[in-house]
Amino acid sequence: SQQGEEDPQALSIQEGENATMNCSYKTSINNLQWYRQNSGRGLVHLILIRSNEREKHSGRLRVTLDTSKKSSSLLITASRAADTASYFCATDADAGGTSYGKLTFGQGTILTVHP
Amino acid sequence: EAQVTQNPRYLITVTGKKLTVTCSQNMNHEYMSWYRQDPGLGLRQIYYSMNVEVTDKGDVPEGYKVSRKEKRNFPLILESPSPNQTSLYFCASSFYRTEQFFGPGTRLTVL
Repeated sequence: SQQGEEDPQALSIQEGENATMNCSYKTSINNLQWYRQNSGRGLVHLILIRSNEREKHSGRLRVTLDTSKKSSSLLITASRAADTASYFCATDADAGGTSYGKLTFGQGTILTVHP
Repeated sequence: EAQVTQNPRYLITVTGKKLTVTCSQNMNHEYMSWYRQDPGLGLRQIYYSMNVEVTDKGDVPEGYKVSRKEKRNFPLILESPSPNQTSLYFCASSFYRTEQFFGPGTRLTVL
């Protein structure tokens, strides 16, 4: 079963607006990662947040993590047309030393930013 | 330049004809992984490797084989491809529990 589930499945906004995407997961994690994918191309890593962290920033990106609710959010501020892409969360489950690094991806949020 | 390379990028083949998709990374990463991406199903992990000669099944390993004889290479082998293996395949690598670097993808069509 999918560990990470993104919400919404699709998001359409105007340039300059903020975009918020949410991710829920089911089991304890070591870390949670967000990736971006432009149509049909390889995934690009955005931010990694560890289970003992609550918030991280990178440029216009802000990620929060609430381990009590098993959820994370990705906020893109002042969005641009170039931010149009699919965004995925991926969880690295805290399942013991033999399974490190096994990322489980959600189905993604398709973000469209209109100029 | 640090990168993950995959070959071929595009492949059309017929049912039952064995094929290998190569993956190579130049970042000295211990961890490597293969994923397939299908519409509506997101990315699903096929196999992963935590180091040389150490591999394990992911979520959808049926019909695939892998080997890790060298740290930099992690080929994906389809011994007898079937149409349900038509997909977009990604290789990725990383250090211990850090960000994964993805290859550009291989689009495979099995007729």
